[in-house]
Amino acid sequence: QSALTQPASVSGSPGQSITISCTGTSSDVGAYNYVSWFQQHPGKAPKLMIYDVNERPSGVSHRFSGSKSGNMASLTISGLQAEDGADYYCNSYTSSNTFVFGGGTKLTVL
Amino acid sequence: EVQLLESGGGLAQPGGSLRLSCAASGFTFSSYAMNWVRQAPGKGLEWVSGISGSGGGTHYADSVKGRFIISRDNSKNTVYLQMNSLRAEDTAIYYCAKDLDIVPTILAFWGQGTLVTVSS
Repeated sequence: QSALTQPASVSGSPGQSITISCTGTSSDVGAYNYVSWFQQHPGKAPKLMIYDVNERPSGVSHRFSGSKSGNMASLTISGLQAEDGADYYCNSYTSSNTFVFGGGTKLTVL
Repeated sequence: EVQLLESGGGLAQPGGSLRLSCAASGFTFSSYAMNWVRQAPGKGLEWVSGISGSGGGTHYADSVKGRFIISRDNSKNTVYLQMNSLRAEDTAIYYCAKDLDIVPTILAFWGQGTLVTVSS
């Protein structure tokens, strides 16, 4: 199972919006709505930010939103804040009853 | 409050074995699938294995199939990962992750991880 494709890095200034893309195939992202996004700060465990493409767990800021079109999913963070700087990973369930992650995107808040 | 506490990590020799445990609390354990995810030093996340709430369904990444075995004891609220024939490339932090459903679908909540180092 090949990893999902994410940009290695993105950056934005406080208050701006950024979008991170996640490209998969018709066997994973395109096949199911079980697409998730995780935030990971250095030395910490990953935290679920978006699930089922566009659902936010309780306690996650409304500034985080997700979408999907075909085999590509996206995470948008609006009103960037310094604490949003972290690594972000997309994840999808697959037709093989497994999970596949993206390679991760480092978000720098300038 | 959901809590997941991994243990059992450490140093193992190539070809050796280790058993990881993940003790869960704060939720009805048997109602949720559980997963193991790993992260090699400085690298990204890799899903390793998942098990349904009943324990009747198990799934593995190709990289560990035939070497690792996932199991659970619902009476002890614990999920295990038996790792055999260890290789240097298995070196990673291993995270236990609670699913959102009784079968693996969403990796909803993660423990803090346990470090496994495979080296001679």
